[in-house]
Amino acid sequence: AQSVTQLGSHVSVSEGALVLLRCNYSSSVPPYLFWYVQYPNQGLQLLLKYTTGATLVKGINGFEAEFKKSETSFHLTKPSAHMSDAAEYFCAGRGYLDFGNEKLTFGTGTRLTIIP
Amino acid sequence: GAGVSQSPSNKVTEKGKDVELRCDPISGHTALYWYRQRLGQGLEFLIYFQGNSAPDKSGLPSDRFSAERTGESVSTLTIQRTQQEDSAVYLCASSLVRHNIDRLQETQYFGPGTRLLVL
Repeated sequence: AQSVTQLGSHVSVSEGALVLLRCNYSSSVPPYLFWYVQYPNQGLQLLLKYTTGATLVKGINGFEAEFKKSETSFHLTKPSAHMSDAAEYFCAGRGYLDFGNEKLTFGTGTRLTIIP
Repeated sequence: GAGVSQSPSNKVTEKGKDVELRCDPISGHTALYWYRQRLGQGLEFLIYFQGNSAPDKSGLPSDRFSAERTGESVSTLTIQRTQQEDSAVYLCASSLVRHNIDRLQETQYFGPGTRLLVL
């Protein structure tokens, strides 16, 4: 089955350090890819999405992600972590044939902890 | 309201009871989705409504689960004879699917979820 895989269920970084959250997709046809963030007791909020065009996508709160077809990856990065970035992050995919059309297929999530 | 709303925010019930969860999508959004998020797991797709088309029920885990949507407005997810494994956060999302636009690019906007605990 086609899927989205997030490596590392928990990631801890120091405040001011680089944030790198990994996401790989399994699809014979590159899907559309999304990163969502979930703060405690809140719904999911879209950070950014890749559909077509530029492979480096910039999102809200200083996050960006690069679509790399050769690596089937869509890793999320932020140059300098802030305490307010502590949350759970979900990578999701959606595409023709492999991901069931309109519905999103989610990774299992990565909980990001920021160390003061 | 500006966003997707869900009610109740929390629900505790006893095993075997029926529960009904409500979702109010963003006004004008034609597509509505239900997902389930169990502890320590990613989101699982449950059901999808798009306009007047027949809903995509392929994610419903059993016949105890059903959902309805009236037109392009409120949706209710019903779980009959609840089991402890039904304990999860149930998330609703909506999106605007426009004609001649690749619907797969459309952003889904999520509600805050209903946290269901079955004792």
